[in-house]
Amino acid sequence: AQSVTQLDSQVPVFEEAPVELRCNYSSSVSVYLFWYVQYPNQGLQLLLKYLSGSTLVKGINGFEAEFNKSQTSFHLRKPSVHISDTAEYFCAVSGAGAAGNKLTFGGGTRVLVKP
Amino acid sequence: KAGVTQTPRYLIKTRGQQVTLSCSPISGHRSVSWYQQTPGQGLQFLFEYFSETQRNKGNFPGRFSGRQFSNSRSEMNVSTLELGDSALYLCASTEYPTGQDPFFGPGTRLTVL
Repeated sequence: AQSVTQLDSQVPVFEEAPVELRCNYSSSVSVYLFWYVQYPNQGLQLLLKYLSGSTLVKGINGFEAEFNKSQTSFHLRKPSVHISDTAEYFCAVSGAGAAGNKLTFGGGTRVLVKP
Repeated sequence: KAGVTQTPRYLIKTRGQQVTLSCSPISGHRSVSWYQQTPGQGLQFLFEYFSETQRNKGNFPGRFSGRQFSNSRSEMNVSTLELGDSALYLCASTEYPTGQDPFFGPGTRLTVL
């Protein structure tokens, strides 16, 4: 079984400032890791994913995340946020290999970008 | 490629009724998963279908069921609706059976009165 903890439920940040969203996971098997963004009244949009290889993953809209196996973390960062980044962000994990397509999500982090 | 489509987008039902939601995956994707999103419980996995077979099932009562057709389209059904079933129901499709690229649809907002 896997679990995901997003350490901050809300993160206020000023426009053009950097932001980091923290995600820790636990799993007894190798994992795939994902970050999704959800805008109001919409579905989930994939920002980036870690499957294997380089631990620094770059995604869309200037986001990046770093996989740290020893600390079981997958923190999301953006060096300079825009008003349009106001949304809810979800970290998710699935078992790698033949475990099937089942995502376990964290509780989400609401990012509010202030002008 | 067209994205994942879900119909209907909004639905209002009363307690005791049943409802069927539909999900059409991205062309070529054979795995479809369903999730329930509520303010209190967050995003929870319902079940996954791959090649018309249920591969995984979450911890939901038997009132929640699903199926997948030969064209990979999937439906989920909730019988005897309860107020607590009000939620956003999301489906995700992936090309691989091992969950490397799950893409989500816009969801179906179900309100139970």
